[in-house]
Amino acid sequence: AQKITQTQPGMFVQEKEAVTLDCTYDTSDPSYGLFWYKQPSSGEMIFLIYQGSYDQQNATEGRYSLNFQKARKSANLVISASQLGDSAMYFCAMREGREGSNYKLTFGKGTLLTVNP
Amino acid sequence: EPEVTQTPSHQVTQMGQEVILRCVPISNHLYFYWYRQILGQKVEFLVSFYNNEISEKSEIFDDQFSVERPDGSNFTLKIRSTKLEDSAMYFCASRRQDLGELFFGEGSRLTVL
Repeated sequence: AQKITQTQPGMFVQEKEAVTLDCTYDTSDPSYGLFWYKQPSSGEMIFLIYQGSYDQQNATEGRYSLNFQKARKSANLVISASQLGDSAMYFCAMREGREGSNYKLTFGKGTLLTVNP
Repeated sequence: EPEVTQTPSHQVTQMGQEVILRCVPISNHLYFYWYRQILGQKVEFLVSFYNNEISEKSEIFDDQFSVERPDGSNFTLKIRSTKLEDSAMYFCASRRQDLGELFFGEGSRLTVL
């Protein structure tokens, strides 16, 4: 079974509107963390936001927020007020195990977001 | 802001040649990683490195691959005899022990002809 599922291969949004990118995960480990990364066409991986499994509140970073629904095992990324520069591939990723432990990230297949002017 | 730096940004090599990809992790980070992304596919874990030894490796990381931290600052990935299917973007990443955030470098694109 896939550990990270991103069901939207591509999404379109109008500039200045909000968009939600879906991510569901599968783990039996009580301690885990969820990450979102942005990959522009230039190829680098840019960290956007992180949510730990024990965090009580949804993570927010500027225009990015993570809609964490633990019971549904979903960690959707919400981008508010989309900008043309937000056009990129977005990856959801998960680490399993304690935050301080050594771990690896498992990535989803990504969602290609296109922001239209 | 400190960042992970990788060299070269792009390398073209002939099949069977050895390749070394270099990374300088963020200076106070303790965990180091290599990930790979074949064009159009998802990012895959290759290897993690902590306390001067490999702590975990994936099935992709076979005997053709090796990593080392030769001088306390650089972290290298060596592919001994490249194959066509090694063509990919290789990302180095690092993190501090207490924070979950993994910082990636800008990647090294390897093209094997």
